[in-house]
Amino acid sequence: DAGITQSPRYKITETGRQVTLMCHQTWSHSYMFWYRQDLGHGLRLIYYSAAADITDKGEVPDGYVVSRSKTENFPLTLESATRSQTSVYFCASSEETDMRYSNQPQHFGDGTRLSIL
Amino acid sequence: AQSVAQPEDQVNVAEGNPLTVKCTYSVSGNPYLFWYVQYPNRGLQFLLKYITGDNLVKGSYGFEAEFNKSQTSFHLKKPSALVSDSALYFCAVRARTGGGNKLTFGTGTQLKVEL
Repeated sequence: DAGITQSPRYKITETGRQVTLMCHQTWSHSYMFWYRQDLGHGLRLIYYSAAADITDKGEVPDGYVVSRSKTENFPLTLESATRSQTSVYFCASSEETDMRYSNQPQHFGDGTRLSIL
Repeated sequence: AQSVAQPEDQVNVAEGNPLTVKCTYSVSGNPYLFWYVQYPNRGLQFLLKYITGDNLVKGSYGFEAEFNKSQTSFHLKKPSALVSDSALYFCAVRARTGGGNKLTFGTGTQLKVEL
């Protein structure tokens, strides 16, 4: 039962560089999410996806890009990393079929700790 | 806009004593409410949820939560705390209708259970 896996677990990069965080789930859940976790802010939604080739912005999307060509993968790219993007990033998935009426829990990966110098 | 408040950054309790982690929410209409737990260097794990019906919800690891509509609260409780319960706890809310798909999290409460 692999569930949802994120890679890498830790990443250090420099400002201005592009970095991609990977997320893979084995449940065939339709919905996938990217959050960032920062002290004092809890978790904030960056982007989410309802299905392959369907993505939408969350609360804090600026500076991030996502894609979802396959149901099981949902990579997050920082096109030009900034220090303010230093954070812990979590990917999650959910099995609901319609998020408008969703009461299903989200299942989280173990996160990627990203430091931008 | 929907929001969640967890008024205590940290809660300390002795092992064997009851514990309460507080959560209040604001949402248009009726809510779906969730509690998650996070252990160090791990992702969030689902504990329990309130959808409708009985105001007392039972979840994993002996935890329960009480939904109080008049006080807009959803406090997490456990009758007898264990040292292994020490972790970061998050409350989350979503509007049942009209709120779209956004799940809003509180800022988290660090629970420390001591011997």
